[in-house]
Amino acid sequence: AQTVTQSQPEMSVQEAETVTLSCTYDTSESDYYLFWYKQPPSRQMILVIRQEAYKQQNATENRFSVNFQKAAKSFSLKISDSQLGDAAMYFCAYRSALGGGSNYKLTFGKGTLLTVNP
Amino acid sequence: KAGVTQTPRYLIKTRGQQVTLSCSPISGHRSVSWYQQTPGQGLQFLFEYFSETQRNKGNFPGRFSGRQFSNSRSEMNVSTLELGDSALYLCASSLTGTVFNEQFFGPGTRLTVL
Repeated sequence: AQTVTQSQPEMSVQEAETVTLSCTYDTSESDYYLFWYKQPPSRQMILVIRQEAYKQQNATENRFSVNFQKAAKSFSLKISDSQLGDAAMYFCAYRSALGGGSNYKLTFGKGTLLTVNP
Repeated sequence: KAGVTQTPRYLIKTRGQQVTLSCSPISGHRSVSWYQQTPGQGLQFLFEYFSETQRNKGNFPGRFSGRQFSNSRSEMNVSTLELGDSALYLCASSLTGTVFNEQFFGPGTRLTVL
């Protein structure tokens, strides 16, 4: 079974600074997808960024980028120019690519609570 | 396009009762997944439905069940409620056939069992 570990329960960053959230995972599969989700307080979970395991190029979405190290099974999220609206719980998630794409199960880490200080 | 909706948003039940939660996916999405979120266990996968068929099931007791209707709306049922079932239940829908099959989450139903 796959596992996802987020070793930082809480992180804080100053507004406009850069912060990196860590995520490691364990799997014996070679093809999979990785995601970072953001869950603001009392609000819906939304997808921040996604990565295909067989693509070596790190994904980027505006101020959000990942550092994907497949051999190390590491998938960290970097938030540049942090804004107050970035404050939220961030979850790293894994999804297998096996089953012809019919496996929709997401395995989540326990989350990292990010605080942005003005 | 409307997002994923879940009803009710809040629910209070007592031990031993049963509860039914509803999820309406984004129009055109045929896959619906359910997750349980608790402070202790985090986010755990319950099950996933596609075209009225359960395709995947997580490691939950048989008290947890679900179904999907022909319009892709889904319900989950928990029978004989226990205190430990208190949680935020999240529903996610997905448009199948894309590369990532990205899951879009609803706001959740907060269930409190007394």
